[in-house]
Amino acid sequence: GAVVSQHPSWVICKSGTSVKIECRSLDFQATTMFWYRQFPKKSLMLMATSNEGSKATYEQGVEKDKFLINHASLTLSTLTVTSAHPEDSSFYICSARLSSSPGAPEAFFGQGTRLTVV
Amino acid sequence: AQSVTQLGSHVSVSEGALVLLRCNYSSSVPPYLFWYVQYPNQGLQLLLKYTSAATLVKGINDFEAEFKKSETSFHLTKPSAHMSDAAEYFCAVSDYASGSRLTFGEGTQLTVNP
Repeated sequence: GAVVSQHPSWVICKSGTSVKIECRSLDFQATTMFWYRQFPKKSLMLMATSNEGSKATYEQGVEKDKFLINHASLTLSTLTVTSAHPEDSSFYICSARLSSSPGAPEAFFGQGTRLTVV
Repeated sequence: AQSVTQLGSHVSVSEGALVLLRCNYSSSVPPYLFWYVQYPNQGLQLLLKYTSAATLVKGINDFEAEFKKSETSFHLTKPSAHMSDAAEYFCAVSDYASGSRLTFGEGTQLTVNP
């Protein structure tokens, strides 16, 4: 199956600093990637849809200036949490869609990044 | 708009017993339906998916789910639970228009007792 690699798997940062999370599709091209946020013992909340070569589409209520998304190539999307604060602490997960996928457009998930802001 | 309801945030079964995790969906168009499993501090692994073909879908690790349009359900079952099945399970829905943009249920934590 297709592999999506997310890095780092965990990160601790000081309040006010910025953190970059990478999401790579290792063996396929992904024109579309998705970023989710998961609170403890909660479901996944879609933050934004990232399309290669264009601006990301953010869900309602997600601050685009705080969560910067870049999708510069068909295999890499990055999420940068700018000026992080403790309330940004969460589990962030990316997923990628095959550029051409017959049948249901299946998404493949990264292993997630645990962000802790202190 | 699409939505998913998972009945029961916690399900506990004995090892070897039947596993039944319930999922009901709401969609104004023909849905695509998925079941994912998540282990602690890990991403999501696809168990199975419904793609408008066969209504009974078989997935990995002996899991299966049946799409019932009349009941708007997509319940997940496994004949015999194993200790390694203990995890969080998510049902998700999308459709042709939304692509891989998934709407997730709240999740069900499965506990398997020895």
